[in-house]
Amino acid sequence: GQQVMQIPQYQHVQEGEDFTTYCNSSTTLSNIQWYKQRPGGHPVFLIQLVKSGEVKKQKRLTFQFGEAKKNSSLHITATQTTDVGTYFCAGQTGANNLFFGTGTRLTVIP
Amino acid sequence: SAVISQKPSRDICQRGTSLTIQCQVDSQVTMMFWYRQQPGQSLTLIATANQGSEATYESGFVIDKFPISRPNLTFSTLTVSNMSPEDSSIYLCSVENLAGVGETQYFGPGTRLLVL
Repeated sequence: GQQVMQIPQYQHVQEGEDFTTYCNSSTTLSNIQWYKQRPGGHPVFLIQLVKSGEVKKQKRLTFQFGEAKKNSSLHITATQTTDVGTYFCAGQTGANNLFFGTGTRLTVIP
Repeated sequence: SAVISQKPSRDICQRGTSLTIQCQVDSQVTMMFWYRQQPGQSLTLIATANQGSEATYESGFVIDKFPISRPNLTFSTLTVSNMSPEDSSIYLCSVENLAGVGETQYFGPGTRLLVL
């Protein structure tokens, strides 16, 4: 079955440091999405990537979709305490349902 | 964006009992989804609920354990039947956002269930 793995599972950074989480799918994806879940909260949609090699930016967040459409990354520049939470990628193949990755839990130390 | 509410927000239940979780959306949506998120884990899709048809369950989930209703385009319920401590989880409903190319989703606030 489809699997979406993320690394690292946990990341602790000092405020101001950069952070990157990587997402790898066992199958080629039609699109990949990123969600953020704050502690005690629910997942909130961040962005969707569709095209091979696509790069999108949201302020300090940069999202990339691999050329083979099987991997993706999220990079946060100069982390802030508001970035704390778990970041999930979620892949979709064709018209199938979303398959969520294992998540990366980010802790930002002030 | 859709506004989704869930009831109850949390509950503590005894094993062997059942709990019905309600999900209400402020707009009409075709597809609603029910997820389970065990403590510290990712989201696992339980089933997809379309109005007017039976829910479609993912591997490992069965209707007898997780019956779902979808009486109209703004409401759905998920029942967790004959609960055991292993059912302790966060249960989330979501709806699809048709603005995206694929199936981006809005999530409800979740129902935190503890089974003793």
